[in-house]
Amino acid sequence: NAGVTQTPKFQVLKTGQSMTLQCAQDMNHEYMSWYRQDPGMGLRLIHYSVGAGITDQGEVPNGYNVSRSTTEDFPLRLLSAAPSQTSVYFCASSSRRERSYEQYFGPGTRLTVT
Amino acid sequence: RKEVEQDPGPFNVPEGATVAFNCTYSNSASQSFFWYRQDCRKEPKLLMSVYSSGNEDGRFTAQLNRASQYISLLIRDSKLSDSATYLCVVNYSGGYQKVTFGIGTKLQVIP
Repeated sequence: NAGVTQTPKFQVLKTGQSMTLQCAQDMNHEYMSWYRQDPGMGLRLIHYSVGAGITDQGEVPNGYNVSRSTTEDFPLRLLSAAPSQTSVYFCASSSRRERSYEQYFGPGTRLTVT
Repeated sequence: RKEVEQDPGPFNVPEGATVAFNCTYSNSASQSFFWYRQDCRKEPKLLMSVYSSGNEDGRFTAQLNRASQYISLLIRDSKLSDSATYLCVVNYSGGYQKVTFGIGTKLQVIP
């Protein structure tokens, strides 16, 4: 099993550009989520999904869109990049079969917006 | 007040030392508690869940104090490989979307 994979690992965007961060998992997990991590702040939830076709907003959703057409994939779209979106983005998945809600994270995407 | 608070450190300890971290949470309805470990420029990984009765995994012991609303992580006989940031994670009301991460406590084990 590859677990949770993310692409790209690094990305530099200019203000106003759009892009999609890819996330895939092969563990048949129902839950998937996107977090951003900034210095001095904990991981903050952007969007999450409890199953294919179902998504919802997290703590910091503005400027991002998601969709979940399959169990495996959960892409994150930046609509019009801003310098405030410079961050490290982590995708995570977990299974509701596990009461502990252990989350498995991808390796992250380091995004810089200039 | 932040929902989950941790001392960011760094905690610099010699090899073989015992070190403890605390994490306080503000919502008394919190149901699940975890410690994650994050190495520099890597993704977080689950270290251990924290149970009401406390639990131990090798050199690591986690405890929960609901009355005072904090969880703790004790590391005995510290190894150089324990150097990392330890994230406190709290899950409110059993809902997936209510997971909250602390900012993490950085541990540096010195030879």
